[in-house]
Amino acid sequence: NAGVMQNPRHLVRRRGQEARLRCSPMKGHSHVYWYRQLPEEGLKFMVYLQKENIIDESGMPKERFSAEFPKEGPSILRIQQVVRGDSAAYFCASSPSGTGSSPLHFGNGTRLTVT
Amino acid sequence: AQTVTQSQPEMSVQEAETVTLSCTYDTSESDYYLFWYKQPPSRQMILVIRQEAYKQQNATENRFSVNFQKAAKSFSLKISDSQLGDAAMYFCAYRDAIRYIFGTGTRLKVLA
Repeated sequence: NAGVMQNPRHLVRRRGQEARLRCSPMKGHSHVYWYRQLPEEGLKFMVYLQKENIIDESGMPKERFSAEFPKEGPSILRIQQVVRGDSAAYFCASSPSGTGSSPLHFGNGTRLTVT
Repeated sequence: AQTVTQSQPEMSVQEAETVTLSCTYDTSESDYYLFWYKQPPSRQMILVIRQEAYKQQNATENRFSVNFQKAAKSFSLKISDSQLGDAAMYFCAYRDAIRYIFGTGTRLKVLA
């Protein structure tokens, strides 16, 4: 039973380019969370999605960032016109439900470097 | 808004000794869950222990136990008989119907 799959593992983009980060949740999980982690810092919540719906995007920057979780396929976190401050590790996590004591299952993260 | 606070950026413990990591949270919800996660240098997030807010009994998982004080909104993690493999970042997390948020973490160093 495959875990949460994130790709790419490492992504290098020049300033102004677009970054697309993919996350395939665990089989049977329909709830996906995205977090950003700066070096030596904690996980900052970005967005919570259910299939085809954004439940909570209160942690997403208002501009340049967007997320989706289509009916078919992985969840995508998209960052347009990247800047150096976007350099971070981005973690995706999935859960079978939106409530309860189910833990989040995390992917290994995508480390984005903006040059 | 819900918040999770870990006031200890770094802690050290001697191998085989006991250490307690602190966590406080703030919420107006009555139904929520609390977790401790561990992040070793590999960056993989690993669940250590979980606690349902409606349960008064403190959760225990082998050498890991929590001290859950609901009225004080405190949720500390105790690691007994510390081992070198326990060295990692430890994150306290809160979950309700909408949010799943993490504290800033405590880096635990285990001294041989």
